[in-house]
Amino acid sequence: EAQVTQNPRYLITVTGKKLTVTCSQNMNHEYMSWYRQDPGLGLRQIYYSMNVEVTDKGDVPEGYKVSRKEKRNFPLILESPSPNQTSLYFCASSASSGSYNEQFFGPGTRLTVL
Amino acid sequence: AQSVAQPEDQVNVAEGNPLTVKCTYSVSGNPYLFWYVQYPNRGLQFLLKYITGDNLVKGSYGFEAEFNKSQTSFHLKKPSALVSDSALYFCAVRDADSNYQLIWGAGTKLIIKP
Repeated sequence: EAQVTQNPRYLITVTGKKLTVTCSQNMNHEYMSWYRQDPGLGLRQIYYSMNVEVTDKGDVPEGYKVSRKEKRNFPLILESPSPNQTSLYFCASSASSGSYNEQFFGPGTRLTVL
Repeated sequence: AQSVAQPEDQVNVAEGNPLTVKCTYSVSGNPYLFWYVQYPNRGLQFLLKYITGDNLVKGSYGFEAEFNKSQTSFHLKKPSALVSDSALYFCAVRDADSNYQLIWGAGTKLIIKP
């Protein structure tokens, strides 16, 4: 089944404790992206990747890191999480970086930073 | 600057009645427009898109959307609402001349009452 998977789905952590949220897609998509969703703010892009070893900042990259060492995986790293990073996070992928391609979303990771 | 507006936070419709969820946009070039739906505790799912051609676009689950260039709108419609259509709906736009990133609306909560 074609899908985007994220792990963990739920995470409660404390300020300053490094964490990684994994994202993997099995559709051989070139483009991958991370978003955070907060009430009333819609989706805001954190980072995106047009292909392997190519990553770029989105609208809200502060406090986050990403890597794209292989096509299928695009982990999101929070080196020192803070309470304002409490949010619902989505990974997405699309077939290419072309403007007309729809994105496929993972199920989301709900992160709480105490 | 590119932007997307969903002027209604919430839309309430009786089951069986037609529904409309509004979206207006602002881009400098030709727009690529998308609608996504988010069911509770799920990731976003693609519904439909407008790239070029016919202004009336048909999508999943009986939804359609009408592109209106003069009014810079892309309203989502369905002739007869179902209770199962209750969800959060997001409009997104991509400028054909941009670096492929989507601009998202804040979302509209659609409630269908039996």
